[in-house]
Amino acid sequence: EVQLVESGGGLVKPGGSLRLSCAASGFTFSRNSMHWVRQAPGKGLEWVSSISGSSDYIYYADSVKGRFTISRDNAANSLYLQMNSLRAEDTAVYYCARAPSITTLFFQHWGQGTLVTVSS
Amino acid sequence: DIQMTQSPSSLSASVGDRVTITCLASQDISNYLNWYQQKPGKAPKLLIYDASNLETGVPSRFSGSGSGTDFTFTISSLQPEDFATYYCQQYDDLPLTFGGGTKVEI
Repeated sequence: EVQLVESGGGLVKPGGSLRLSCAASGFTFSRNSMHWVRQAPGKGLEWVSSISGSSDYIYYADSVKGRFTISRDNAANSLYLQMNSLRAEDTAVYYCARAPSITTLFFQHWGQGTLVTVSS
Repeated sequence: DIQMTQSPSSLSASVGDRVTITCLASQDISNYLNWYQQKPGKAPKLLIYDASNLETGVPSRFSGSGSGTDFTFTISSLQPEDFATYYCQQYDDLPLTFGGGTKVEI
């Protein structure tokens, strides 16, 4: 059974940093692209970042480019999102998601999400 | 960026009703269009990929159609467990973009 479990969310002050993790199991992690999608409270879904299986291809939404860094450790079956210079508008539930490849971008599996709150 | 316009933003329906949601892309996205269901407090769930392909394990009352810029998502006979918010998502080009969502209420 595919499982994605996010962790690392919490309350952080504007300008602060946070590192999210996503532990994956139940599939060959290195063969799949991985992604972060967020959802602000009461709002819709927003794509944040994507990384290919071998980390050759990395993409970001303009809203986070230069502040967020996606990475993965295939030996540890883990995905990460380093978030720096956080702003109030980054407040959201962050989901990690799995897609078949970096060019076939439908999100077949999602984690339960981790809440990031940016507030003073 | 490709804009995805979903309509309606909400609808009221009864069990057994046929429900149709549309998604309009701001440019041709071929068939690179997916549909998700999200219930309150839960992660989204993939229902339809590539416009018309039913994800494994998803009931056949869900279907999708369309190509280019106009897409339709249909629930043929609404069940109690289908009351949720539905989103379309394109992956023809980055940034990946989602529609604004359609809340299906009783």
